[in-house]
Amino acid sequence: DAMVIQNPRYQVTQFGKPVTLSCSQTLNHNVMYWYQQKSSQAPKLLFHYYDKDFNNEADTPDNFQSRRPNTSFCFLDIRSPGLGDAAMYLCATSRDFGNQPQHFGDGTRLSIL
Amino acid sequence: GESVGLHLPTLSVQEGDNSIINCAYSNSASDYFIWYKQESGKGPQFIIDIRSNMDKRQGQRVTVLLNKTVKHLSLQIAATQPGDSAVYFCAETFQGAQKLVFGQGTRLTINP
Repeated sequence: DAMVIQNPRYQVTQFGKPVTLSCSQTLNHNVMYWYQQKSSQAPKLLFHYYDKDFNNEADTPDNFQSRRPNTSFCFLDIRSPGLGDAAMYLCATSRDFGNQPQHFGDGTRLSIL
Repeated sequence: GESVGLHLPTLSVQEGDNSIINCAYSNSASDYFIWYKQESGKGPQFIIDIRSNMDKRQGQRVTVLLNKTVKHLSLQIAATQPGDSAVYFCAETFQGAQKLVFGQGTRLTINP
């Protein structure tokens, strides 16, 4: 059974039109992460939440925002998507920081028209 | 900066043969390492992990070796099957760190 669920699996949006990607988890993990992954490159961390504490990576564009209304759900908002934002977006969770595996969802592939 | 890298971006092996995927890391503080498998259109899937107090750990058909002296990590897959075709990423972190550092990935192709 899927434990980190991302919806939708495929998302198409227009250039500049806001889009929201969602992630839910059944693991009751404290930490939720959002990654961007392009064409077989390694996942690139955008930001993460430890419970309600938000940490943004220094090089994450301002265009990207996140919300975590409760333990189970986390959202990625892209305010004005550009062509360069077309990618796979991966959500992951871990019970805590440090020596813990992260558990990934199957991602949302975002296309920009 | 600190990084985790892979020596070979692609690897092809015959079905039934063993494969070895290598990874180098540079952060001497890293004490926890993970191998992930990512199939096309899916998210990375945890395969196996190892802590720095071990130099070898075995799973089902997979073995991870850790050489802390030369900061090298490898994943051995025994008797490869078509379903092993994927991109494999190593990742490293340390106690208290807030994120994983991923290697660049190796694409493993299993030839029939």
